[in-house]
Amino acid sequence: DAGVTQTPRHEVAEKGQTIILKCEPVSGHNDLFWYRQTKIQGLELLSYFRSKSLMEDGGAFKDRFKAEMLNSSFSTLKIQPTEPKDSAVYLCASSLWLWGYNYAEQFFGPGTRLTVL
Amino acid sequence: GDSVTQKQGQVTLSEDDFLFINCTYSTTTYPTLLWYVQYLGQGPQLLLKVTTANNKGISRGFEATYDKGTTSFHLQKASVQESDSAVYFCALVDWDGSSGNKLIFGIGTLLSVKP
Repeated sequence: DAGVTQTPRHEVAEKGQTIILKCEPVSGHNDLFWYRQTKIQGLELLSYFRSKSLMEDGGAFKDRFKAEMLNSSFSTLKIQPTEPKDSAVYLCASSLWLWGYNYAEQFFGPGTRLTVL
Repeated sequence: GDSVTQKQGQVTLSEDDFLFINCTYSTTTYPTLLWYVQYLGQGPQLLLKVTTANNKGISRGFEATYDKGTTSFHLQKASVQESDSAVYFCALVDWDGSSGNKLIFGIGTLLSVKP
């Protein structure tokens, strides 16, 4: 079984550039999450989709961060314009949510390490 | 709001040492508590889960017990190996009654095990 795929694994951008990170969730999963990971803040939720509908768009990240689900098997995270403080690892996760359960295991991709100069 | 607190940023042990990582939580609902492990260059993966129904989770030699009185969910292992070196996160399911699949993560504890 293919797990969550993220591309690219590493990205270097100049301040002010637009970058797009990509994620392919586990086939059949209906929940998709984007997280930002830093040593200081840990894991922060950026966006959360269920069956392609946006469930949560992490407040503080709204202005320059935009996640989309183009179809059930592909999502992108656009950062525009990038700033040096955006340097972090961006993780995508997916899960199979079923009604009646309060939790479904999230499966994470390996992440994209973004460096903004 | 709901929260988790993981105070130990880094733990360094030798092989066969006992591991204890502290995690406390705050919630107004019945908690579902998780430990995730992240190896270098990989995303986090679920290590174990504990609910009020089972009170204890055990996986790969790791154990965590839910204690309602102290609102704690500590991770333990009797004898660590070098291969256990990783970052460990505790997490709480953020249940809002409708879309209860979000997680609140602790800051993470970096475990380094010396051979």
